[in-house]
Amino acid sequence: GEDVEQSLFLSVREGDSSVINCTYTDSSSTYLYWYKQEPGAGLQLLTYIFSNMDMKQDQRLTVLLNKKDKHLSLRIADTQTGDSAIYFCAATPVLSGGYNKLIFGAGTRLAVHP
Amino acid sequence: GAGVSQTPSNKVTEKGKYVELRCDPISGHTALYWYRQSLGQGPEFLIYFQGTGAADDSGLPNDRFFAVRPEGSVSTLKIQRTERGDSAVYLCASSSSVGANVLTFGAGSRLTVL
Repeated sequence: GEDVEQSLFLSVREGDSSVINCTYTDSSSTYLYWYKQEPGAGLQLLTYIFSNMDMKQDQRLTVLLNKKDKHLSLRIADTQTGDSAIYFCAATPVLSGGYNKLIFGAGTRLAVHP
Repeated sequence: GAGVSQTPSNKVTEKGKYVELRCDPISGHTALYWYRQSLGQGPEFLIYFQGTGAADDSGLPNDRFFAVRPEGSVSTLKIQRTERGDSAVYLCASSSSVGANVLTFGAGSRLTVL
């Protein structure tokens, strides 16, 4: 089945760019997602990308997809202390039932320091 | 409703007891998912409903876990004979199952089994 892996921790200085990386194993995944989770809160969708795209930009967020290497990254420009959270990558392998089931990585904890 | 609502937000129970966790999805969302998130881990898929039927229950860990969605809206996750290893945050999500299948998550129910 699908397996999603992420590095566990990233520390950046306020104002710098953050890059969070993710790899997945199932090349049939049609959509790939980034979710954010703040302490004690639920998962908040940040952005997603369709598998036929290489890049998607949304304000400070840039998603890059390398489908050949099954590698996804999330870049946050001008990182702020409010960006401190856990970021989850999720993939959606196409299943026989015709629906998409999100498979999550373990999450990358982003710490932003002054 | 405006978002996915889960109750209770916190539940403490003793080993061996029965527990019910409730999820009220976004109005009109036909797809409903239950995930479990253990400390330091990403969400792990449990079960998916399309309408009233469980289309995929492959993530339920054993037969102590059961979920229903009798009228295609509210869902209840039921755990019998709880064990300490069941302690986790149980997340519910719903989606319209259209296009990118964006899942909207509730804040979760934190279950602690003593």
